[in-house]
Amino acid sequence: DQQVKQNSPSLSVQEGRISILNCDYTNSMFDYFLWYKKYPAEGPTFLISISSIKDKNEDGRFTVFLNKSAKHLSLHIVPSQPGDSAVYFCAASEPTGNQFYFGTGTSLTVIP
Amino acid sequence: GAVVSQHPSRVICKSGTSVKIECRSLDFQATTMFWYRQFPKQSLMLMATSNEGSKATYEQGVEKDKFLINHASLTLSTLTVTSAHPEDSSFYICSARRVSNTEAFFGQGTRLTVV
Repeated sequence: DQQVKQNSPSLSVQEGRISILNCDYTNSMFDYFLWYKKYPAEGPTFLISISSIKDKNEDGRFTVFLNKSAKHLSLHIVPSQPGDSAVYFCAASEPTGNQFYFGTGTSLTVIP
Repeated sequence: GAVVSQHPSRVICKSGTSVKIECRSLDFQATTMFWYRQFPKQSLMLMATSNEGSKATYEQGVEKDKFLINHASLTLSTLTVTSAHPEDSSFYICSARRVSNTEAFFGQGTRLTVV
């Protein structure tokens, strides 16, 4: 049973525009959320995180929004750059758990 | 940032042989490490949680006798794929966290091909 879902397998965006990647979860116990970026044949790289006490966290071009009532989070990349082209995974964990539950990933292509 | 090193990055082995993959936390002590497996175009699936000094905790459906995990020290966990078969071919990734509710750091991953 997939507790974290990314319903868009792929997304294409023009360079300079905003990229919005979405993630939904079903477990209301999740209280910590992360976004990872992954290139082929490499391990994921941490991008940004947010805890459930916040609804927004910003780091440079990356902003994560959390809507707890909707069990939804999103990653905004502004402005998008060709180097942002990769697969993005969202992940979530429970307060007492060590493990992360990953979404299936969204492949972002930023077109120059 | 913290670094997790995974070795080897690629390995090809014959069916029936065993392969060992190492995961090291280079600049912090990790009492817990995690092993994931990724099939093409699919998500990272947690295989097991590796606990220093004790037995690993395996996820449902993961054969503990086939995927042997040893967490011998606070900086090293190993995954051994025993009697490998072609269906074990996959991308294996380890990760480690300093404490709960912080980001996890991932190794570079190991592409295993069993021929």
